This record gives sequence, structure tokens and C-alpha cells, in this order.
Amino acid sequence: SQQGEEDPQALSIQEGENATMNCSYKTSINNLQWYRQNSGRGLVHLILIRSNEREKHSGRLRVTLDTSKKSSSLLITASRAADTASYFCATENSGGGADGLTFGKGTHLIIQP
Amino acid sequence: SQTIHQWPATLVQPVGSPLSLECTVEGTSNPNLYWYRQAAGRGLQLLFYSVGIGQISSEVPQNLSASRPQDRQFILSSKKLLLSDSGFYLCAWRLGYEQFFGPGTRLTVL
Repeated sequence: SQQGEEDPQALSIQEGENATMNCSYKTSINNLQWYRQNSGRGLVHLILIRSNEREKHSGRLRVTLDTSKKSSSLLITASRAADTASYFCATENSGGGADGLTFGKGTHLIIQP
Repeated sequence: SQTIHQWPATLVQPVGSPLSLECTVEGTSNPNLYWYRQAAGRGLQLLFYSVGIGQISSEVPQNLSASRPQDRQFILSSKKLLLSDSGFYLCAWRLGYEQFFGPGTRLTVL
């Protein structure tokens, strides 16, 4: 079942602005990951934050995790036209094992040049 | 380095026809492999995963089946396609916590 729910579903901003996407989930997790998908392509892993971490940075990406609220946010700073894509959060529940990730429905981000 | 291949890239099939999608991984051994489906404008739904040859776990009841005849080969099949089987099918393998996805197969059932 789909656990993560991204918000907003779609976001359009001007190049150079910051883009913030949010994700909520329902069960206890080991970690939360963000993936990016260009139109009609496979997903690419962006960043992982563990359940005992609150914030993580990678280049222009900043991810926060609030396990008490079961929510995460992805911030892309100084956006570029090439950042246009769909962004998905994915969780691995605390049960562990080899089963796959649970993905949200995604936020479609459009960067206007 | 590891790479993952999927074919075909696109497929148009009539209702009731069979299906076979193939996924192969290079550069790793005994990977955990996954099949996901993405309906239009939706997130990914896990269909099957496999931890080894001949070992298949299904997440949802469905019209599809999966097989793993070789360590680095994962096949998604159907005997008779339904309209609802249309979607974007993604194969992935896992390294640690991260999953690496193939380029996907876009299936249209008419």
C-alpha cells in the first residue's frame, strides 16, 4: 500500500527560487529516502535519512525528518531548470527484511526558466 | 560498476495476450531484485521481490507472476493481459538501503 504522501502534488517556481516538498507516512520506519524521476525514466536515489537523524544535507538538497509527526521535507535550494522532475519519498518500515520500499505518489516540480 | 537493464522499453499489447518483461543486472551477485508498477500520475507499487534464484514474494494479488531463473535475471509475466495492467514497469536491485532502478518498460494494453 502507498504509505508516503507527498505535498504538494505539483509545484511550479521560478529558476533560482527554493523548492520545498513534504512527505507524510504512517508506520514506524528505519529510514526515509527521496528519489527523483525524470519524465518516462527510472528513479534515481537522491538522499537517505535514518530514523535517528533530524536533518541531512547533500549539495543543494536539504532533508529533514520529524519522526514524532511522521513527516519529512525535501528542500532544493537555488533551483535550476534541470531540477524539473517528479520527486518521491520512500520508506523502509522498521520491520526490516528484504521487502521493497513504500513510495508516495510524488510531487511534480516544474522550474520555469 | 553495476548496471541494470530492462527490455523492451515500450510495448503495446492487446487484451488477453501474454506478457514477458525481462530485467538483468550486471556487476553484482545475489542481488535482491524488485518489480514495481507505476500507473499514470501515481507513485510506485511494489509487485514482487526476490532474494535469490527461484524465490519470489508477491505483495499484491494480481494478474501477473514473476520468476527468477538465474541469479541476475528477473522476469515479469502474464498469461492474459488486462486493460488494468497498463503502466510503467520498473525493475530495481538493492545495495544496502538504496535501490537502483532500471530504465523501465512502458506497457499499453489495448
